[in-house]
Amino acid sequence: GAVVSQHPSWVICKSGTSVKIECRSLDFQATTMFWYRQFPKQSLMLMATSNEGSKATYEQGVEKDKFLINHASLTLSTLTVTSAHPEDSSFYICSAREGQGRNSPLHFGNGTRLTVT
Amino acid sequence: GQQVMQIPQYQHVQEGEDFTTYCNSSTTLSNIQWYKQRPGGHPVFLIQLVKSGEVKKQKRLTFQFGEAKKNSSLHITATQTTDVGTYFCAGGGAGRRALTFGSGTRLQVQP
Repeated sequence: GAVVSQHPSWVICKSGTSVKIECRSLDFQATTMFWYRQFPKQSLMLMATSNEGSKATYEQGVEKDKFLINHASLTLSTLTVTSAHPEDSSFYICSAREGQGRNSPLHFGNGTRLTVT
Repeated sequence: GQQVMQIPQYQHVQEGEDFTTYCNSSTTLSNIQWYKQRPGGHPVFLIQLVKSGEVKKQKRLTFQFGEAKKNSSLHITATQTTDVGTYFCAGGGAGRRALTFGSGTRLQVQP
C-alpha cells in the first residue's frame, strides 16, 4: 500500500533555532501534500496545502513566514519551522493522496514531535 | 468555514459492549472518511463514504452517511481492546482539496 515517510520522528531544539521536517511519498507521486498540526488529545488542524512546483496555500491564522513549505518534487515536501518558540511545540503530521481525485484517501506520515526548549 | 463536530468526545466501555460515534458537518459534504489513531500513532484510513444514505461494513464496524450528506456515524459491535484509539471523521467539501477533520472521539475499552 501507499507509504508516506516523515522525518525526523521527534526533535528537540532551542528557542530561536529553525527545524526542518521532511515528508516523502515512497511509492507514489503526490502533487499535493497536506501539513497538519495536532495538540495532545485534540484533532488535526490543517496548516497548509503544499503544491508541487508552486506556492503553498496556508490556512487562515497560519503564518507563512513562520512555517515555510517547499514542495520541490513530486515525492518530497518540507516544512521548516523558523525561529521556533516553545508555543510551536506540537505534533506535526504530513499526508498525501495517492490518486488525483479529491475523494482519494489520505496516507499519513508517522508524524514529528517537536519540543522547543 | 466548514466545521465538523463529533460526539461524544470520550467514551469508556467494557469489552464486548457496543460503541457509536457521531459526526456532524456545518455544510454538505462531497464525501466523508473515517480514520483511527492509536495512542502515540498517526491516523490510519478506515473507509470512505460518498453516496447519500450509504452504509458500509467492515467486520464489526458499520459506517453510515446521512441522507443530507451532513452527518455520519461509526458503530462498533462488541468492542475489543484492540479497538482502543481515537476515531476521526473527515469531510471533503465542494471545491476544497483538503479534508476537515472532526474533533475526534477517544475510545477506551476495559477488558
